[in-house]
Amino acid sequence: DTGVSQDPRHKITKRGQNVTFRCDPISEHNRLYWYRQTLGQGPEFLTYFQNEAQLEKSRLLSDRFSAERPKGSFSTLEIQRTEQGDSAMYLCASSLENDGVGRGQFFGPGTRLTVL
Amino acid sequence: AQKVTQAQTEISVVEKEDVTLDCVYETRDTTYYLFWYKQPPSGELVFLIRRNSFDEQNEISGRYSWNFQKSTSSFNFTITASQVVDSAVYFCASLFGNEKLTFGTGTRLTIIP
Repeated sequence: DTGVSQDPRHKITKRGQNVTFRCDPISEHNRLYWYRQTLGQGPEFLTYFQNEAQLEKSRLLSDRFSAERPKGSFSTLEIQRTEQGDSAMYLCASSLENDGVGRGQFFGPGTRLTVL
Repeated sequence: AQKVTQAQTEISVVEKEDVTLDCVYETRDTTYYLFWYKQPPSGELVFLIRRNSFDEQNEISGRYSWNFQKSTSSFNFTITASQVVDSAVYFCASLFGNEKLTFGTGTRLTIIP
């Protein structure tokens, strides 16, 4: 049994470049979430999927950000034309829909992005 | 507004002391879920506990215990007989009727050997 995995763990890029991160959720989980965490802060919600459908996007997700989950399994988060303000830890989480009962989201190790 | 507040930014205690981390939430929803996560230096968020708004029973798991009080909108976390391995940032979080977790700003706990 494996947990949520993310790749890469670290990414250093120059301003203006595009980057793509991947998240593999726990296999039976149908919900997948992306969060962003900056230094000294708690994670902030970006977007989430139920199966392949993207159901909610935060205002934090500008038009330079796009997320996909094409087959309802792994997900990718792409940032175009990166800016220094995009430097953060990008966290992926997954959960299993369970109506009427408290739900837990299980997090991956994160991808730390540094934009120079 | 729906929010989670962790007023304690940093706490340091000597090993074997007990320590309580505070969490206060705000919501008008009647159904919600509360969580605690641990984030060690490695960075990964580790799920500790989940509570729903209809279950005010306190819970104990080994050296960890949680005190949920709706009357004061608090969900506090106590570590008994703290150990150096407990050093981490601890986040309180909530689900307020939607799918996104709302996190507090975290409390950095340092256990001094």
